[in-house]
Amino acid sequence: AQTIHQWPVAEIKAVGSPLSLGCTIKGKSSPNLYWYWQATGGTLQQLFYSITVGQVESVVQLNLSASRPKDDQFILSTEKLLLSHSGFYLCAWSLYRANSDYTFGSGTRLLVI
Amino acid sequence: GDQVEQSPSALSLHEGTGSALRCNFTTTMRAVQWFQQNSRGSLINLFYLASGTKENGRLKSTFNSKESYSTLHIRDAQLEDSGTYFCAGLNTGYQNFYFGKGTSLTVIP
Repeated sequence: AQTIHQWPVAEIKAVGSPLSLGCTIKGKSSPNLYWYWQATGGTLQQLFYSITVGQVESVVQLNLSASRPKDDQFILSTEKLLLSHSGFYLCAWSLYRANSDYTFGSGTRLLVI
Repeated sequence: GDQVEQSPSALSLHEGTGSALRCNFTTTMRAVQWFQQNSRGSLINLFYLASGTKENGRLKSTFNSKESYSTLHIRDAQLEDSGTYFCAGLNTGYQNFYFGKGTSLTVIP
């Protein structure tokens, strides 16, 4: 069975500090991977997707970047956090990009102060 | 503008009763997925539909792609059903799931 793991569970970071959030998928080779962001009390918005190792597409510009260094790993990062980066970050995977359901990780709650 | 209009935004149900949540799509969607977000923020996958109706226990969902809407019916509501329910439409053009703003459901004893 496939499992999706996100880390850390929660972070409190200062404005201007760097950030790195991780996501790993076990039990599935070559998954499609996604990063979503949910502002407090808001809906979910796709930030990035990746079809294969080393390839990442940006969907929404939020002064964040993403990388896929391994087939089962997806990293979200920035060198300088903004207050507006606060929220809930979710990683997801799917079998295909078109016509396939998404499975989400348990998320990382980020507070920027 | 928003591609997914979800209603109602909030709903209170007494235990044992039921109701329906609805999502209207302003663009053609290939499929819809319904999630329940629990108090910890985790998204639990309820249904994925490319068309038609699916049922699982006390939940039933329908997706009408021609008329661009989907519904989630909850019957015999239980306290553990409380949470925020999201629908997400898979856009045919951009292959991206677009989420509604959610329905906050409170089940009252």
